[in-house]
Amino acid sequence: TQLLEQSPQFLSIQEGENLTVYCNSSSVFSSLQWYRQEPGEGPVLLVTVVTGGEVKKLKRLTFQFGDARKDSSLHITAAQPGDTGLYLCAGAPSGNTGKLIFGQGTTLQVKP
Amino acid sequence: DAGITQSPRHKVTETGTPVTLRCHQTENHRYMYWYRQDPGHGLRLIHYSYGVKDTDKGEVSDGYSVSRSKTEDFLLTLESATSSQTSVYFCAISPAGAKDTQYFGPGTRLTVL
Repeated sequence: TQLLEQSPQFLSIQEGENLTVYCNSSSVFSSLQWYRQEPGEGPVLLVTVVTGGEVKKLKRLTFQFGDARKDSSLHITAAQPGDTGLYLCAGAPSGNTGKLIFGQGTTLQVKP
Repeated sequence: DAGITQSPRHKVTETGTPVTLRCHQTENHRYMYWYRQDPGHGLRLIHYSYGVKDTDKGEVSDGYSVSRSKTEDFLLTLESATSSQTSVYFCAISPAGAKDTQYFGPGTRLTVL
């Protein structure tokens, strides 16, 4: 069974600080997605990375896919209270089945 | 935002009763999924569909059945609800050309007493 380990599980920081969330596995994924979820709502797709070593930026968020396509990171620069939420990574196993494997999630709280 | 609606949004039911949750999409996407989200477990796939009348089991399919008679609707049925099925249920859709890119509905919070 393929697993995705996310760390840390909880993060509480002050506005303006930087942070990194990690998503690790011993398995290779054909692609990896990052989602953000707010209370009472469904996850919202932030980005998909598909190439080993790929880096994508979305304003203050930087996403990186590991060279071996087994891990990924999300870095937020100068966090804002609006970044508060649950961040989920999801990996697509090889074979293009559409079945995503989700990490446990990282709950981020950014205090003003 | 992808056009996905789920109904009902909240439901309280009793153990042993049947429950059906509905997912409706307006995007004409081929693939549809049902997940459940529980604290400590993240999102887990229950069933998915790769076309009308074509469905398959996911990681946690026991106690659940699904049906897809039209492209736009995917139904999840709990034949006899149990307290362990208390959860938040999410439907997701993806286009045929990008199965890995899934868009989620707003969720249904189900409580089984």
